[in-house]
Amino acid sequence: GAGVSQSPSNKVTEKGKDVELRCDPISGHTALYWYRQRLGQGLEFLIYFQGNSAPDKSGLPSDRFSAERTGESVSTLTIQRTQQEDSAVYLCASSFTGKAYEQYFGPGTRLTVT
Amino acid sequence: KNEVEQSPQNLTAQEGEFITINCSYSVGISALHWLQQHPGGGIVSLFMLSSGKKKHGRLIATINIQEKHSSLHITASHPRDSAVYICAVTGSQGNLIFGKGTKLSVKP
Repeated sequence: GAGVSQSPSNKVTEKGKDVELRCDPISGHTALYWYRQRLGQGLEFLIYFQGNSAPDKSGLPSDRFSAERTGESVSTLTIQRTQQEDSAVYLCASSFTGKAYEQYFGPGTRLTVT
Repeated sequence: KNEVEQSPQNLTAQEGEFITINCSYSVGISALHWLQQHPGGGIVSLFMLSSGKKKHGRLIATINIQEKHSSLHITASHPRDSAVYICAVTGSQGNLIFGKGTKLSVKP
């Protein structure tokens, strides 16, 4: 079956522009996560959606970052007024349900802010 | 102090050697994960465990809940095992808390 997909795979944008990143989770997975990995750094948690519950936004680094998820399907991560420090690989993962279930990672979106 | 600590940070081994990567954590967890990230960037989940030991092929993962410690072992290592191995724990909110990773290089 299809895994987690993300689009675009690469995005180059100018500083100050807004970007939107998309994640399609595995069908039937109620939990969806966004992570960020800056060059040479470890993974950072950004936001977590579980079913219809209010998302856990505790990892979002600033109010320029937001994410939405429609039901238990597609999620979009939006970065407004991008800055160079936003350059990173943005990874999406999904799992069958929330806590303590194996997470399946998408291939990531490499964002470069020039 | 990071909530999830891995050691060593870098590891170079000769093909065939037995490899151990360690992970200690300081928070309450519901599960511990070992992930593999290849040079191309893709992340694969190797193990998820909350107690005891799991084995998959040449890979073995163990966890000691009382000591808040886990180990990942690779037997008969091969150059294709070269990757970054990441320990992560599922925190109280369900999100993963990551270690900084161990970069493994296996020489032929």
